[in-house]
Amino acid sequence: NAGVTQTPKFQVLKTGQSMTLQCAQDMNHEYMSWYRQDPGMGLRLIHYSVGAGITDQGEVPNGYNVSRSTTEDFPLRLLSAAPSQTSVYFCASSYSDPSTDTQYFGPGTRLTVL
Amino acid sequence: AQSVTQLGSHVSVSEGALVLLRCNYSSSVPPYLFWYVQYPNQGLQLLLKYTSAATLVKGINGFEAEFKKSETSFHLTKPSAHMSDAAEYFCAVSPFGAGGGADGLTFGKGTHLIIQP
Repeated sequence: NAGVTQTPKFQVLKTGQSMTLQCAQDMNHEYMSWYRQDPGMGLRLIHYSVGAGITDQGEVPNGYNVSRSTTEDFPLRLLSAAPSQTSVYFCASSYSDPSTDTQYFGPGTRLTVL
Repeated sequence: AQSVTQLGSHVSVSEGALVLLRCNYSSSVPPYLFWYVQYPNQGLQLLLKYTSAATLVKGINGFEAEFKKSETSFHLTKPSAHMSDAAEYFCAVSPFGAGGGADGLTFGKGTHLIIQP
């Protein structure tokens, strides 16, 4: 199993550009989440999904969109990048409710917005 | 309201010394508690978790944590530090217990563990 994969590993954008961060898992997990990690802030939940076709907002959803058309994939879209979105982004998945079950994290995408 | 507090953004110990990373939580019901570790340039991985079974939880790489309800704590310990333990450690709590979902899980701000040779 590849586990949770994320692409790209690094990305530099200019303010106003759009892009999609890709996330895929091959463990047949129903639950998937996107977090951002900023220095001194820990991990903050952006969006999450409890299954294909079902998504919801987390703590910091503004400026981000998600969709879940398949169990395997959970892309995160930045519609109009802003410098405040400079961060490291992690995708995670779990077999069941992440409030009780182990989450498996991808290696992260380091995004810089100029 | 903050659900989890990690005391000390940086902790430095000598190789072979005891590792103690502190985590305090707030919860109105029996919580679920996790410790995750992040090695440099990697994603997080689970060290151990407490899910209302035994109060002393053993994890990977020789780490363990004890759930103390009276102190609302879930401190992480390891008897003898190794250079490979240098990493960022995150405590996470589901303050509403089971069924909280992804948005029911709160991560602490992390503690960077430094191992001195």
